[in-house]
Amino acid sequence: KNQVEQSPQSLIILEGKNCTLQCNYTVSPFSNLRWYKQDTGRGPVSLTIMTFSENTKSNGRYTATLDADTKQSSLHITASQLSDSASYICVVSADSNYQLIWGAGTKLIIKP
Amino acid sequence: DGGITQSPKYLFRKEGQNVTLSCEQNLNHDAMYWYRQDPGQGLRLIYYSQIVNDFQKGDIAEGYSVSREKKESFPLTVTSAQKNPTAFYLCASTASRSYNEQFFGPGTRLTVL
Repeated sequence: KNQVEQSPQSLIILEGKNCTLQCNYTVSPFSNLRWYKQDTGRGPVSLTIMTFSENTKSNGRYTATLDADTKQSSLHITASQLSDSASYICVVSADSNYQLIWGAGTKLIIKP
Repeated sequence: DGGITQSPKYLFRKEGQNVTLSCEQNLNHDAMYWYRQDPGQGLRLIYYSQIVNDFQKGDIAEGYSVSREKKESFPLTVTSAQKNPTAFYLCASTASRSYNEQFFGPGTRLTVL
């Protein structure tokens, strides 16, 4: 069964600190993996997308990594800001039918 | 939220009533989607449409209906047959049914009283 699991469920860190969010998937055949940021009560916004051949992709203070062999991805946030408080969702696309499998998200809270 | 609008932002419904959620996009996208989001769960696909006058059921279509009479509009009706409709509903669109980024609207929070 195609699944995407994210950890931790929630995370609280102090402003200025770094953090790493994890995503494990069992989607096959794999097409691509996206990370979305969702502010409370808003729609998700795409941060990065990675295909099978890409290991790392950055978007400002956000850096995503992908290990297609172990089927793991991470999202690293550097020098966190209060505006980073949001849910971060990992989404994997299955190659066979364009199906998107959504993770439940990690709720990140940045405290001053 | 890009060029996708959803209305209303909050909606209250009495049990037994049908309600319609609006979704409009000005991005000239071909494909549009409706998702349901519940706390602690990933987004679940309700319906999607790749072209005008055509749509397909997603994973949880029971109790919902849609129409796609215009490219820019994809309204979702939550019928009285939907047993647990209280949720956050998100509309999205892509340029085509491909791996392109999905652009989301701001969402509608539906509460059944």
